[in-house]
Amino acid sequence: NAGVMQNPRHLVRRRGQEARLRCSPMKGHSHVYWYRQLPEEGLKFMVYLQKENIIDESGMPKERFSAEFPKEGPSILRIQQVVRGDSAAYFCASSPQSFRGVPEKLFFGSGTQLSVL
Amino acid sequence: KNEVEQSPQNLTAQEGEFITINCSYSVGISALHWLQQHPGGGIVSLFMLSSGKKKHGRLIATINIQEKHSSLHITASHPRDSAVYICAVRRRSYNTDKLIFGTGTRLQVFP
Repeated sequence: NAGVMQNPRHLVRRRGQEARLRCSPMKGHSHVYWYRQLPEEGLKFMVYLQKENIIDESGMPKERFSAEFPKEGPSILRIQQVVRGDSAAYFCASSPQSFRGVPEKLFFGSGTQLSVL
Repeated sequence: KNEVEQSPQNLTAQEGEFITINCSYSVGISALHWLQQHPGGGIVSLFMLSSGKKKHGRLIATINIQEKHSSLHITASHPRDSAVYICAVRRRSYNTDKLIFGTGTRLQVFP
């Protein structure tokens, strides 16, 4: 029973390019959460999705960032026209259910380290 | 001031020592999580607690809701316990709760 799978583990982009980060939740999990960890800072909530629905995107920057969780396939966090300040570790977590938007138990992926040159 | 504060930021110990990591928060919460982040970056959920105390192996977590404080204890520490330990609180928001994370405590245990 594979855990939460994120890929790629490391992603290097030049300023202005697009970054696509993928997250496959654990089998049977229909709730996905994305978090960002900036250097020397704590994790910050970005977005909470269920299949085909964005439930809470209050932590997402208003521009250039988008997320989806289609009926089939992984959840995608997309960052358009990346800038140096987007360099961070992006973590995905999944859960089988959620109470008021927060899972009772958190299952995290290993993260994607995005570096913008 | 951060809503979730952890202390110490960095901690070194000799194998076998008893470790305590503290977490204080300034918001009303419904639960608190302790997480472990390994040197490779992976994050593992250790505990979720809303009152009292929980124990799992050599790890013990306590919370005092009135004092807005939680502690994570590691008994008989081992080098494999070396990791960053993160406290996260669950805060009520409009229609969904939010997790607010501390910046972590980096623990190194030497043999």
